[in-house]
Amino acid sequence: EPEVTQTPSHQVTQMGQEVILRCVPISNHLYFYWYRQILGQKVEFLVSFYNNEISEKSEIFDDQFSVERPDGSNFTLKIRSTKLEDSAMYFCASREGVGDTGELFFGEGSRLTVL
Amino acid sequence: LAKTTQPISMDSYEGQEVNITCSHNNIATNDYITWYQQFPSQGPRFIIQGYKTKVTNEVASLFIPADRKSSTLSLPRVSLSDTAVYYCLVALDTGRRALTFGSGTRLQVQP
Repeated sequence: EPEVTQTPSHQVTQMGQEVILRCVPISNHLYFYWYRQILGQKVEFLVSFYNNEISEKSEIFDDQFSVERPDGSNFTLKIRSTKLEDSAMYFCASREGVGDTGELFFGEGSRLTVL
Repeated sequence: LAKTTQPISMDSYEGQEVNITCSHNNIATNDYITWYQQFPSQGPRFIIQGYKTKVTNEVASLFIPADRKSSTLSLPRVSLSDTAVYYCLVALDTGRRALTFGSGTRLQVQP
């Protein structure tokens, strides 16, 4: 069964460092998303991406964050100058497209720990 | 976006049917109702989606009354492995509108 894969599964970094989280969405999907979940809290939307551009972003997704689809398969989230409060589980998701079932397929997540 | 309200937590025993109700009073005409399940340290997983009346799949049933201001997720004969957080979401069925997760309902199934 096709799945969304994310790397790394866990990354530890020092405050102020840059982090890149990688995702490989399901191959025929057109919509891509990043969500994050701080330990014990709800899943928060960060950004959605369609047709090689951001289609929607939350107030969390400020200039510290950027997304990119550098090739036909990867979808990355870059966090510049990480802060302690960026420690969270980051989930990538993808969706087939308009007219589909509406299901978002989530990856297993990348746990980011900022020290 | 329509705001959803659901119980913070529920307890059940193995073999029982569990019904989790979500209210979404300001649901829009084009909104769909979707439920996701999340286990600890895993990404949410789609359970079921509906627009009106009743939808059933191999995992659950979704009951939506005529006014669509609420919905009920029904899990038949739960097992310990159904212990998870269940999220009710309401959104337009277009990829451009991101799904917003609420706090969810933490279901604890006891033996």
